[in-house]
Amino acid sequence: QKEVEQDPGPLSVPEGAIVSLNCTYSNSAFQYFMWYRQYSRKGPELLMYTYSSGNKEDGRFTAQVDKSSKYISLFIRDSQPSDSATYLCATGFQKLVFGTGTRLLVSP
Amino acid sequence: DADVTQTPRNRITKTGKRIMLECSQTKGHDRMYWYRQDPGLGLRLIYYSFDVKDINKGEISDGYSVSRQAQAKFSLSLESAIPNQTALYFCATSDFEVAGGTFNEQFFGPGTRLTVL
Repeated sequence: QKEVEQDPGPLSVPEGAIVSLNCTYSNSAFQYFMWYRQYSRKGPELLMYTYSSGNKEDGRFTAQVDKSSKYISLFIRDSQPSDSATYLCATGFQKLVFGTGTRLLVSP
Repeated sequence: DADVTQTPRNRITKTGKRIMLECSQTKGHDRMYWYRQDPGLGLRLIYYSFDVKDINKGEISDGYSVSRQAQAKFSLSLESAIPNQTALYFCATSDFEVAGGTFNEQFFGPGTRLTVL
């Protein structure tokens, strides 16, 4: 079993839609959970992170962690074409483990 | 100026050739990493270094070697390239762990697209 599982997509939505991206993880000791965003031909960049269970909101983005089910989610409200990218979840200790990434396409 | 730079950005080579990918950073971070990214497999850790004298194998180190020439420089070598090493390679850096915590934001370079024929 992979330490982090993520649906690779692609996920296609119209502009303005609410997007839900999800990951599961296997190690219950993980405490920090990250979402990286990767545009085409670029390196990944940290979008946001959460610590332990709960929600964290940043503008149109909300990260959610449910440690009881080992489930990580990223919600995007009012999605924009500029949100089109690959989103990678990550967790770990000194070394990060990444999901495979979900490619999101937001059409105008 | 970019904080993490990688050279070359693109490289096409032949089976059996020795290839070196270079990474430099101006962030002053001690920790550096090399990943490869393949469709459907995501980012996989090849090697990582927590300081100049510390080199560690990652998930998929076979066929690769690294050199940490200075705090700011970390090179990845393919001693004898093979076609299944065709991939996108990323260098990343991070600072010390936050005191009392384990958050580990990594900062990535722009990547090197390597094709082995």
